[in-house]
Amino acid sequence: DAGITQSPRYKITETGRQVTLMCHQTWSHSYMFWYRQDLGHGLRLIYYSAAADITDKGEVPDGYVVSRSKTENFPLTLESATRSQTSVYFCASAVKETQYFGPGTRLLVL
Amino acid sequence: GESVGLHLPTLSVQEGDNSIINCAYSNSASDYFIWYKQESGKGPQFIIDIRSNMDKRQGQRVTVLLNKTVKHLSLQIAATQPGDSAVYFCAEKDAGNMLTFGGGTRLMVKP
Repeated sequence: DAGITQSPRYKITETGRQVTLMCHQTWSHSYMFWYRQDLGHGLRLIYYSAAADITDKGEVPDGYVVSRSKTENFPLTLESATRSQTSVYFCASAVKETQYFGPGTRLLVL
Repeated sequence: GESVGLHLPTLSVQEGDNSIINCAYSNSASDYFIWYKQESGKGPQFIIDIRSNMDKRQGQRVTVLLNKTVKHLSLQIAATQPGDSAVYFCAEKDAGNMLTFGGGTRLMVKP
């Protein structure tokens, strides 16, 4: 039972490059979320999705793009990475209120 | 949105003692609360939740108390163990399905 997985777990990229973070859940949860976690800011919502083909902005969406063509996948793309996007990214899924988190992706933008 | 905060950034307890981690919330419309545990290098792990129509809920070695009068949430851990060392944070949900997270309290368990 894999639950919710994220890949890659670690990523180093350069400013201006496009990078995609993957999120996959095996629970068939309708809701999925992307957060970033930074010291001093806690968890901040980037984007979320209520179902396949339905996405919406969270608190800090600028510079990010998401898609949800299948219920189980929710990729997050940084179209042109910036140093300020260096962070730990967490994906979560939920069937009701309770969100379950993946292990995270540590992204370093040089 | 309104924020959820914590009183103590770091809590140090002796192994075997009980731990109490506190959380203040400001949105009186919040109807659901969750506690998460986050160990170093890992994602937040669900511990226990409580709805606003309850005052107390117990799990295995953990109890969550909700005081709506003063908008206060607490997590009690009985017989704290070294494996309980982590950052704990609370989250609240209002009428939508979004959670607002607190900043976290680091629990350190001394052997």
